[in-house]
Amino acid sequence: QVQLQESGPGLVKPSETLSLTCTASGGSISTYYWSWIRQPPGKGLEWIGYIHYSGNTNYNPSLKSRVTISVDTSKNQFSLKLNSVTAADTAVYYCARSKSSTSRSSFDYWGQGILVIVSS
Amino acid sequence: EIVLTQSPGTLSLSPGERATLSCRASQNVSSYLAWYQQKPGQAPRLLIYGASNRATGIPDRFSGTGSGTDFTLTISGLDPEDFAVYYCQQYGSSWTFGQGTKVEIK
Repeated sequence: QVQLQESGPGLVKPSETLSLTCTASGGSISTYYWSWIRQPPGKGLEWIGYIHYSGNTNYNPSLKSRVTISVDTSKNQFSLKLNSVTAADTAVYYCARSKSSTSRSSFDYWGQGILVIVSS
Repeated sequence: EIVLTQSPGTLSLSPGERATLSCRASQNVSSYLAWYQQKPGQAPRLLIYGASNRATGIPDRFSGTGSGTDFTLTISGLDPEDFAVYYCQQYGSSWTFGQGTKVEIK
């Protein structure tokens, strides 16, 4: 049973960089595709981007200029960096695994989510 | 970007009743459509993938139909634990989610 756990600061100042890490347990990160998804309070879900263990990435065009996703297979982790944040980036951030080993997939395992508030 | 429009926004039903949720895509996504259930304070849970395939452990009262641009999630008889928000998601071209349908107790 794969388990995902997000970690990182819960408070980030405007214009700074949001940094989060997702640690996978119960399975290797060296397969499948791994995504970040966010949900502003009381609102819907937004896909941010994915990474494959090979390093291949794909980002939501609306966030592409500010997002970097990286992977550390030795630690079974992948990470999100979102720079120049504003209050609009306040959200619960989830990490998730693709259901299949192709990028064209739904998400079958999710972390519990971490609330990140952007405020001075 | 493919836009998913879910209807209705809110569905008020009693336990045991049948729930029918709709998801319409702005472009053809073939069968690359999933449904998720989300309860307050929890992550979404995958219910249906490939438009009509139940995910592991999902009760058979949940069923999905459709292809192309029009999709439906049916809950054949609402259990008290089914009152939640439901999202559709397409993965035919990038990934986008619908805005959600809330199924509430009448």
